[in-house]
Amino acid sequence: DAGITQSPRHKVTETGTPVTLRCHQTENHRYMYWYRQDPGHGLRLIHYSYGVKDTDKGEVSDGYSVSRSKTEDFLLTLESATSSQTSVYFCAITDKGGSYNEQFFGPGTRLTVL
Amino acid sequence: AQKVTQAQTEISVVEKEDVTLDCVYETRDTTYYLFWYKQPPSGELVFLIRRNSFDEQNEISGRYSWNFQKSTSSFNFTITASQVVDSAVYFCALIGNKLVFGAGTILRVKS
Repeated sequence: DAGITQSPRHKVTETGTPVTLRCHQTENHRYMYWYRQDPGHGLRLIHYSYGVKDTDKGEVSDGYSVSRSKTEDFLLTLESATSSQTSVYFCAITDKGGSYNEQFFGPGTRLTVL
Repeated sequence: AQKVTQAQTEISVVEKEDVTLDCVYETRDTTYYLFWYKQPPSGELVFLIRRNSFDEQNEISGRYSWNFQKSTSSFNFTITASQVVDSAVYFCALIGNKLVFGAGTILRVKS
């Protein structure tokens, strides 16, 4: 199994509070991704990173920011959480983001915004 | 634009039945890859297969088989002699310039 962990695994927070989710990998892979999973939508890409301090937006990036100061860590921040951001968040890694390799996923973080 | 359609929202079968999960995709890329992932009730996403756009050979892995047809833009997944442990959500995905997932098909296998 790819060495990917996510923390926390579960979080309940209130509308308007900031939230940071962490993805940690031990594979030294260059590419990291954040997705959200919602019923009827599959997984949708929020942000991705192609190296330390190199990030870009996905299809549902509004309300989210990311940072990657080390190869192994990719942080997803909700500056002011809203109920529409209640979801399951998955981190993924791949060693070659542009050459169509499969992505390996972390265990997920279930976030509830009340 | 890239799109993946899994028209079957939910399928229920009885153990030992064969079941096919449909996946239809849209892309303008000439080079692309198709994937299937499994998400069991425990929630993790498990990679099953990757197929590139230049290889239309069918693939078989144990009870699993995949049928890729560019002419119909389909990449269907068949489970032969289904088992209760096959119960999961199955996602088809496409990567051209980005990775796009279908909405998933819930498969329930009853004993």
